[in-house]
Amino acid sequence: DAKTTQPPSMDCAEGRAANLPCNHSTISGNEYVYWYRQIHSQGPQYIIHGLKNNETNEMASLIITEDRKSSTLILPHATLRDTAVYYCIVRLWNSGNTPLVFGKGTRLSVIA
Amino acid sequence: EPEVTQTPSHQVTQMGQEVILRCVPISNHLYFYWYRQILGQKVEFLVSFYNNEISEKSEIFDDQFSVERPDGSNFTLKIRSTKLEDSAMYFCASSEGRGGETQYFGPGTRLLVL
Repeated sequence: DAKTTQPPSMDCAEGRAANLPCNHSTISGNEYVYWYRQIHSQGPQYIIHGLKNNETNEMASLIITEDRKSSTLILPHATLRDTAVYYCIVRLWNSGNTPLVFGKGTRLSVIA
Repeated sequence: EPEVTQTPSHQVTQMGQEVILRCVPISNHLYFYWYRQILGQKVEFLVSFYNNEISEKSEIFDDQFSVERPDGSNFTLKIRSTKLEDSAMYFCASSEGRGGETQYFGPGTRLLVL
């Protein structure tokens, strides 16, 4: 089972920041937080990952709390194309080919 | 930008028939995976493959399923005798390994078993 808890759905106005929360209270010290998204029925798309420091790339920012029990994915200026299901996944680093365990994710609807 | 490709994009088959789903992972990647997603359900892990052998498999991956890397570029999933419940999207993924653990997914093959 997934080790994360996410709200089932969220709405965001186009052009505004979308803040997607994730709880992972049982995360262990050597587990990373990964975010993927799935647009309609396409393959999951990697967004970002982090261990304990905040991370930013061209797609999003990841804010991880100091106790690492929760995190927030931030899409700074959401567009209609960001409408998707967003998955927060915890996974061991350097774990060879440990599979990803997907939960139900958060369905983000970006509204014009 | 390198990407995982999958063929065919759609496959319709009769129950009991064999199907082979094909994937071309990213060229310098060493780890390969198959996942599936039944309509409206979660993405589920099927199998991982490294160094020409299965590394890990889920309960779903029974004797009806097999994987193969027949050459240096392709990675295939075979379902020997399809069942109605095998209807799903099948996603291939690959990761670099050697500390590069991010898995990158292909666009998927939609399999419909009639």
